[in-house]
Amino acid sequence: NAGVTQTPKFRVLKTGQSMTLLCAQDMNHEYMYWYRQDPGMGLRLIHYSVGEGTTAKGEVPDGYNVSRLKKQNFLLGLESAAPSQTSVYFCASSFPGLAATDTQYFGPGTRLTVL
Amino acid sequence: RKEVEQDPGPFNVPEGATVAFNCTYSNSASQSFFWYRQDCRKEPKLLMSVYSSGNEDGRFTAQLNRASQYISLLIRDSKLSDSATYLCAVNIGGGADGLTFGKGTHLIIQP
Repeated sequence: NAGVTQTPKFRVLKTGQSMTLLCAQDMNHEYMYWYRQDPGMGLRLIHYSVGEGTTAKGEVPDGYNVSRLKKQNFLLGLESAAPSQTSVYFCASSFPGLAATDTQYFGPGTRLTVL
Repeated sequence: RKEVEQDPGPFNVPEGATVAFNCTYSNSASQSFFWYRQDCRKEPKLLMSVYSSGNEDGRFTAQLNRASQYISLLIRDSKLSDSATYLCAVNIGGGADGLTFGKGTHLIIQP
């Protein structure tokens, strides 16, 4: 049981390049999330998904797209990377139920630098 | 916008001491509350959920005060390994749009 995994762990892009971050979970969780974490800003929700084939915008969705074609995978895409997207990206998943049990489990993060 | 606020610290505390910090939330409809621990350059990991009646896990005690809209975390007999950033997280309305996190409180336990 690997939990939540993310690939790649590190990446350096040039402005305008595109890339996809992959998140995978093996806990059969329905909900998945993408956050970014910047110094002094805390964790901010980019997009989330409540099930296979569904996605929704979070707090800071601009410049990102997502897809959830399979229940266990949640992809985050940057079509044209900008320096403002330099950040640490965390994926998380949860199993919906009683409010107090909506614990989110996080992946190890992807450190992205856009030059 | 819903907000969750924490004192960023750092809190410098001698080993063995008791330390407490709070987290305030702005939306009275918030339904579930959590404390996460984050080590430098690592992912957040759940420390404990916070229940209405308060709950304890070893040296850690979490409390919820709905009237004043804050949660608290108390660490007793602090260890060097407790040094980390502690994030509070609130799920407003039990919705699917995830947790709103505070910016974290940085705790440094000094020998």
